[in-house]
Amino acid sequence: QSALTQPPSASGSPGQSVTISCTGTSSDVGGYNYVSWYQQHPGKAPKLMIYEVNKRPSGVPDRFSGSKSGNTASLTVSGLQAEDEADYYCSSYGGSNNLVFGGGTKLTVL
Amino acid sequence: EVQLLESGGGLVQPGESLRLSCTASGFTFSSNAMNWVRQAPGRGLEWVSAISAGGMTIYYADSVKGRFTISRDNSKNTLYLQMNSLRAEDTALYYCAKGYVTRGFFDSWGQGSLVTVSS
Repeated sequence: QSALTQPPSASGSPGQSVTISCTGTSSDVGGYNYVSWYQQHPGKAPKLMIYEVNKRPSGVPDRFSGSKSGNTASLTVSGLQAEDEADYYCSSYGGSNNLVFGGGTKLTVL
Repeated sequence: EVQLLESGGGLVQPGESLRLSCTASGFTFSSNAMNWVRQAPGRGLEWVSAISAGGMTIYYADSVKGRFTISRDNSKNTLYLQMNSLRAEDTALYYCAKGYVTRGFFDSWGQGSLVTVSS
């Protein structure tokens, strides 16, 4: 199972919106509504931000939203704040009882 | 509050074995599927293995199949990963994570245990 494709970097100024893409295939992203997004600050464990494409766990700000079209999922962060600067990883159920992650996107708040 | 605490990491030589543990608290461990996810230094996340709540259903990534064994002791609220025939490419921070791989997400993660395979 190949890793999902994410851009290595993304950036935006405080208050702006930024969207990070995650491209897979019809065997993973396109085949299931089981896409999730994680935020990871340096030296910290990943934190679940979005699950099942567009659902937010309790405590995650509504500035974070997810969507999917075909084989590509997206994470949008609106009203960027300094604390949003982190690495973001997408993942998808890949069928055959396995899960695949994206390579990660480093989000910089300018 | 959910807490997951990994232990057992260290420096080993290629071909050697190591067993990781993850002690859980703050939730009903015996009712939840658990996983191991690893992250090589400076690299992305890689799902390694999953085990159902009762321990009867187990899945592995192809990269570790036949070398790693996941298990759990619900009486001790502990998850294990037995790693045999370790290779340099197994060097990573190993996280335990709560969640169902078939639903595609893990809602709680430990802080990780570092495994270094080097001669």
